[in-house]
Amino acid sequence: QKEVEQNSGPLSVPEGAIASLNCTYSDRGSQSFFWYRQYSGKSPELIMFIYSNGDKEDGRFTAQLNKASQYVSLLIRDSQPSDSATYLCAVILNTGGFKTIFGAGTRLFVKA
Amino acid sequence: ETGVTQSPTHLIKTRGQQVTLRCSSQSGHNTVSWYQQALGQGPQFIFQYYREEENGRGNFPPRFSGLQFPNYSSELNVNALELDDSALYLCASSLGLAGSSYEQYFGPGTRLTVT
Repeated sequence: QKEVEQNSGPLSVPEGAIASLNCTYSDRGSQSFFWYRQYSGKSPELIMFIYSNGDKEDGRFTAQLNKASQYVSLLIRDSQPSDSATYLCAVILNTGGFKTIFGAGTRLFVKA
Repeated sequence: ETGVTQSPTHLIKTRGQQVTLRCSSQSGHNTVSWYQQALGQGPQFIFQYYREEENGRGNFPPRFSGLQFPNYSSELNVNALELDDSALYLCASSLGLAGSSYEQYFGPGTRLTVT
């Protein structure tokens, strides 16, 4: 089992719709959770950070964390073609040293 | 722009050679992490430096080594290059290790090709 799993996609949604991106993780010691967006040929850019159970909203983005289910998600409301990118879920482990584990990413296409 | 810079942008090396990649962290950041990203994959954690000390390491062999300097800039050294080392190498800096201080900001990366 991979430490951080994401559906590779592609996930295709029409412009204006809600895009839902999911991520599961295997280590219950995971402490913090991040979502990054990566455009083709570019480096990842931070979207959101969440570390407690529940929802966290920032503009059109909402991150949801459920530690009991070891599940974190990202919702993108009013999706725009410019949101088309790969979305990476990252988990921080502190096991006698910090490690950041990324999922393989989900490709999102927003159709105009 | 995140304020994190990396050099060089691109590099071509021959199998068996050694390479040094450099990273300047964002102003005020004392933590630097290095990642290897193969095409179509997520970044793989190599190691992290916090205040000049290695603070965490991923599943990479010892021929991957690093340094962090007093100004918190960092180097990644790879010895005895192998063809599979061809990848995008990313550096990320953060304010610290706790909570939101751990938000990482990535540099543009160095594309390494090993022939």
